[in-house]
Amino acid sequence: QKEVEQNSGPLSVPEGAIASLNCTYSDRGSQSFFWYRQYSGKSPELIMFIYSNGDKEDGRFTAQLNKASQYVSLLIRDSQPSDSATYLCAVLMDSSYKLIFGSGTRLLVRP
Amino acid sequence: KAGVTQTPRYLIKTRGQQVTLSCSPISGHRSVSWYQQTPGQGLQFLFEYFSETQRNKGNFPGRFSGRQFSNSRSEMNVSTLELGDSALYLCASSSTSGGSSSYEQYFGPGTRLTVT
Repeated sequence: QKEVEQNSGPLSVPEGAIASLNCTYSDRGSQSFFWYRQYSGKSPELIMFIYSNGDKEDGRFTAQLNKASQYVSLLIRDSQPSDSATYLCAVLMDSSYKLIFGSGTRLLVRP
Repeated sequence: KAGVTQTPRYLIKTRGQQVTLSCSPISGHRSVSWYQQTPGQGLQFLFEYFSETQRNKGNFPGRFSGRQFSNSRSEMNVSTLELGDSALYLCASSSTSGGSSSYEQYFGPGTRLTVT
């Protein structure tokens, strides 16, 4: 079992729709969770982090964390073609203090 | 505030050679982590330095090494290069170490290494 799992996609949504990206992790004790956006040929850019159960909103982005289910998600409201990128979920493993990345989900927003 | 900088941005080396990559973190950040990114393996953790000490290490061979200087700048060295070392090498800085629950990392632009 991978430590951090994401569906590779691509996830295709029409412009203006809500894009929902999901991530599961194996270390039950993990406390810190991050979402990065990576455009093709560029480095990852931190867009959200969440440390507590529940929802955290920042503009069009909402991160959701459910520690009991070991599940973290990212919602992008009013998706724009410029949101088309690969979204990486990262989890700070409680057991090793390493930041482990999922393989990423490619999002395609159709105009 | 200036972001994370990495030099060089592109590098072509031959098998068997060695290479040194450099990373300057965001001002005030004391943690620098290095990652290797390839299409097949994704983003793989190499090591983390905090206040000149290696705090954490990934599962890479000993050919991969690093260090951090007193000004928090970090270098990564790969000796005896192999074709499989061709990758994007990313460094990321944070104000705290991996032992802290607040560990937002910010990436530099990366160094694209090609081994021929």
